[in-house]
Amino acid sequence: NAGVMQNPRHLVRRRGQEARLRCSPVKGHSHVYWYRQLPEEGLKFMVYLQKENIIDESGMPKERFSAEFPKEGPSILRIQQVVRGDSAAYFCASSPATGQGRSPLHFGNGTRLTVT
Amino acid sequence: GENVGLHLPTLSVQEGDNSIINCAYSNSASDYFIWYKQESGKGPQFIIDIRSNMDKRQGQRVTVLLNKTVKHLSLQIAATQPGDSAVYFCAENSGGSNYKLTFGKGTLLTVNP
Repeated sequence: NAGVMQNPRHLVRRRGQEARLRCSPVKGHSHVYWYRQLPEEGLKFMVYLQKENIIDESGMPKERFSAEFPKEGPSILRIQQVVRGDSAAYFCASSPATGQGRSPLHFGNGTRLTVT
Repeated sequence: GENVGLHLPTLSVQEGDNSIINCAYSNSASDYFIWYKQESGKGPQFIIDIRSNMDKRQGQRVTVLLNKTVKHLSLQIAATQPGDSAVYFCAENSGGSNYKLTFGKGTLLTVNP
């Protein structure tokens, strides 16, 4: 949570609406990772992005979910036509680079999405 | 206080006691392990990590032990304090990069004053 900023902290949406979650990485970091945490469970990897590129989206549901990390501005996780099962905490982490180095991910404080 | 595996997801200890939180993993290819602490309403906070070429690593008041033979990881907290009350997750990773972590379900540690 060292510098990764997420907003909003809490988001309430009705079924069928769109949810947009924002993540501002630590200054200078060009890699962003999104994880989802269902109630009373551990975090699950969703997607890894670099600036303007999706590197690994193997954890993203195939429909309704998308992510971007534009050249300027925060990373956005977008959920279209939300359903109650999308209710969860969504966490973002960032790093300057991945690859051969092994350093732990530091997460933001998350966005708690509630679908009513 | 000690819990065994993930069948007992809660651990209650007295302030000042030592705590041991256990974690079993299944992927024999995992070579990097991390313990996170998560307080209510917050994101996971890094505590300590260990690579598979080590079997023990110490931090401030915390020690992580890794037993690759039985695929078991433990977190020991010395002189547990009320501020240690949180959910503790172990996470594992394989493959050379650190971003795709597999988290366990977590253990809730409650410290009684």
